[in-house]
Amino acid sequence: DIQMTQSPSSLSASLGDRVTITCRASPSVYRYLNWYQQKPGKAPNLLIYATSTLQTGVPSRFSGSKSGADYILTISSLQPEDFATYYCQQSYSSWTFGPGTRLEIK
Amino acid sequence: VQLVQSGAEVRKPGASVKVSCKASGYTFTDYHIHWVRQAPGQGLEWLGWINPNSGETYYEEKFQGRISMTRDTSIITAFMDLSGLSSDDTALYYCARQNYYDSSGYFDSWGQGSLVTVSS
Repeated sequence: DIQMTQSPSSLSASLGDRVTITCRASPSVYRYLNWYQQKPGKAPNLLIYATSTLQTGVPSRFSGSKSGADYILTISSLQPEDFATYYCQQSYSSWTFGPGTRLEIK
Repeated sequence: VQLVQSGAEVRKPGASVKVSCKASGYTFTDYHIHWVRQAPGQGLEWLGWINPNSGETYYEEKFQGRISMTRDTSIITAFMDLSGLSSDDTALYYCARQNYYDSSGYFDSWGQGSLVTVSS
């Protein structure tokens, strides 16, 4: 089974901040890593797939990358609507979600 | 693309529940449907998928033996049936459409969720 971790589990930030959320998969999932945003009471929404491909309609302040074993979601300048919970998901071997990162307003 | 799910359900421990997911806006048989659940205040848990074209299914191992996913192409609807319910199964159940890249994919459209409450 593939194990997923995310860090931090929660994060406080201010409007305009640059924020990074990290996801690690063990063993490797290569480029098969997706990111979702979920707001309270709503279904998850796809942000990025295949590590770094931005889903149509998602603002360009969101980006995804990989560094070694770490997958990184970056929000370049936080907007009010970005405060939410973020999940990574591996789709290399079956399907598994990370535990989530809650992004709160400082 | 739209996935519309059935409403909230309350069941007693040991009972079964069947949740539906009606698709519109695309060719139902061209995309796998997955089921994901979220217990109150918790993260996302993947349950399995169904290929609406063939009816082939694949379930997360921990649910095998008490989960069944089916579809009815005449009414463009997928179903998820979970039996042997316990309080641990209390959750919001989502269906999601899988889109594809390489031999894998991602979930690009989700239902609104169906709350299943298990309580005596």
